[in-house]
Amino acid sequence: DTGVSQDPRHKITKRGQNVTFRCDPISEHNRLYWYRQTLGQGPEFLTYFQNEAQLEKSRLLSDRFSAERPKGSFSTLEIQRTEQGDSAMYLCASSLEAVNYGYTFGSGTRLTVV
Amino acid sequence: GNSVTQMEGPVTLSEEAFLTINCTYTATGYPSLFWYVQYPGEGLQLLLKATKADDKGSNKGFEATYRKETTSFHLEKGSVQVSDSAVYFCALSTGTASKLTFGTGTRLQVTL
Repeated sequence: DTGVSQDPRHKITKRGQNVTFRCDPISEHNRLYWYRQTLGQGPEFLTYFQNEAQLEKSRLLSDRFSAERPKGSFSTLEIQRTEQGDSAMYLCASSLEAVNYGYTFGSGTRLTVV
Repeated sequence: GNSVTQMEGPVTLSEEAFLTINCTYTATGYPSLFWYVQYPGEGLQLLLKATKADDKGSNKGFEATYRKETTSFHLEKGSVQVSDSAVYFCALSTGTASKLTFGTGTRLQVTL
């Protein structure tokens, strides 16, 4: 088990471009979460999946953001028409269902919008 | 709503000093409490947790006790090392989604 993998590690994009990030969770984990972390702040919840179903989305997740988890395995987070305010670290985490024992986080994708 | 308040950093200590990082919370329902650590250039790692009142979480010499009466979960270590230098995040989770609410983080710098 290699933990939670995120790709790419870094992404620099021009304002207005679309970007897509990928997360591969721990294989037996059926829950997958996306968080966003800006400099000097704690991570903020964006959305979560149980298997392939997206069960909750934060108000932070504007219409430009979309997340998918086809077949309940890996997940993608797409940001359309990126803005400078989207610059952040995007973190993925996975866990087993219904157990408040804490997640396993990936190393994150750092997005810089120029 | 849920919120977590941590003491501001940076906290600078000499090696072998005693560490306390304060954390208080506000939550609807009965939260589980966590401390996560983020070493330079790495992702968040779960340090310890407690799921009910008076539980003590411990790991790698760090401890925190779930105090429902004071809504606190302070992190302590009796003797810090240079390798403990990192950012520490207090967090809570509630509900079936188990989504985490984080504090803003406290940077710890340990010097020789």
